[in-house]
Formats: sequence, C-alpha cells, structure tokens
Amino acid sequence: AQSVSQHNHHVILSEAASLELGCNYSYGGTVNLFWYVQYPGQHLQLLLKYFSGDPLVKGIKGFEAEFIKSKFSFNLRKPSVQWSDTAEYFCAVRDDKIIFGKGTRLHILP
Amino acid sequence: NAGVMQNPRHLVRRRGQEARLRCSPMKGHSHVYWYRQLPEEGLKFMVYLQKENIIDESGMPKERFSAEFPKEGPSILRIQQVVRGDSAAYFCASSPLGTGSTDTQYFGPGTRLTVL
Repeated sequence: AQSVSQHNHHVILSEAASLELGCNYSYGGTVNLFWYVQYPGQHLQLLLKYFSGDPLVKGIKGFEAEFIKSKFSFNLRKPSVQWSDTAEYFCAVRDDKIIFGKGTRLHILP
Repeated sequence: NAGVMQNPRHLVRRRGQEARLRCSPMKGHSHVYWYRQLPEEGLKFMVYLQKENIIDESGMPKERFSAEFPKEGPSILRIQQVVRGDSAAYFCASSPLGTGSTDTQYFGPGTRLTVL
C-alpha cells in the first residue's frame, strides 16, 4: 500500500532561517504530490502540488518543493522563514486516493 | 464562492450517543471525501462519495460508521454508539472532478468530536 513518511515531527527555527521538510513516498508509479499547510485554528490549505513537468514546483508564500523520482522524495523548502509560517505541514501523495503523512509541526521563533 | 463548509465545528457526545457531521462542498463540486485526524497522526482517508453514490469506503470502520451524499443537501458522516476512541477531528474535502483526474481537493475547517 502507498505510504508517506515525514521525517521531522517537530521543527523549531528562528526567523530568517532556511527550511527543508523531508517527505518520502513508497509508490513507484505515476503519482500526484502535494504539500498542505494547516495554520493554528484553520483548515488545510494547499501550498503546492506536482503532477508532471518541471520537478521544481513553486507554491504560495515563497515555498517550493522538488520532486526527485529516484529518491521517492518531495521535500518542501523555503529560503527564509517568517514567524507567520508557524503551522503544521502535511505531505500527501495520490494514486487513486490521497494518502497523508503524519505532519510536521513547525514553530518559528520571532 | 464559499469554501467547503462543515458543521458543527465542535461536537461533544457521551459514549453510546450518535454523532452526525455535515459537509457542504464548494459550489460546483460533486465529489466529497471524508478524513479523520487522530491526535499526533496525519489525516486518514475514510470515504469518497459522489452524489447518491459511495465510490470508495475502504477507510471506513466496518461498524457504526456510515456516510451519505444525497442528491439534495450536505454530505453526512454518521457515527452510531460513539466510543472514546472516536474522538478526533473529521475533515471533509471536495473537488469538481473525481480521483482519476488531476484536480485538487479543497478542505473544510473540520469538526472536532469529543466523546466523554
């Protein structure tokens, strides 16, 4: 069965630090990949998605992710985080249904 | 265009009672998905419905849980005889097309169920 692993459960960074959140999936076929964000008290919002084409995907709020097929990875990056990026981040993969990782809680220190 | 709406946002039930969670998809969306988020866990797929049809219920517990998406009105997730382990956040998502497409699912704010 398809699975998604997010390696970091809790990440604490200072403002302006660079961010990389790891995500690996298990399926070897054609997949759609997503990163969702859940700000405190809010619902999930789509940050970015990859279906095909350029493996470097740009999302909202300065986030990007790189699809590396050989590594089954879709890591999320941001060069300089802000306090407002404090949230929980979920990686997800879809073959016939969407499978979510367990999430990474990101806390940005002002 | 209003987003996905869920109500109630918070629901408290005693063991043995029934919980009914409602989801109104975005306008123009005919595909609805329910997910459950347990503490310290990611979202787990429960069921995928189209109007009047259950397409995939592979994530639904075999007993006490049911879902519907009638021709008119919201989708309902019903949990009968709730137990403490049902306490979780339940999220609904909708999309205009089905899972065979490349469209995106849009999530509602969730219903937080607490079973006393």
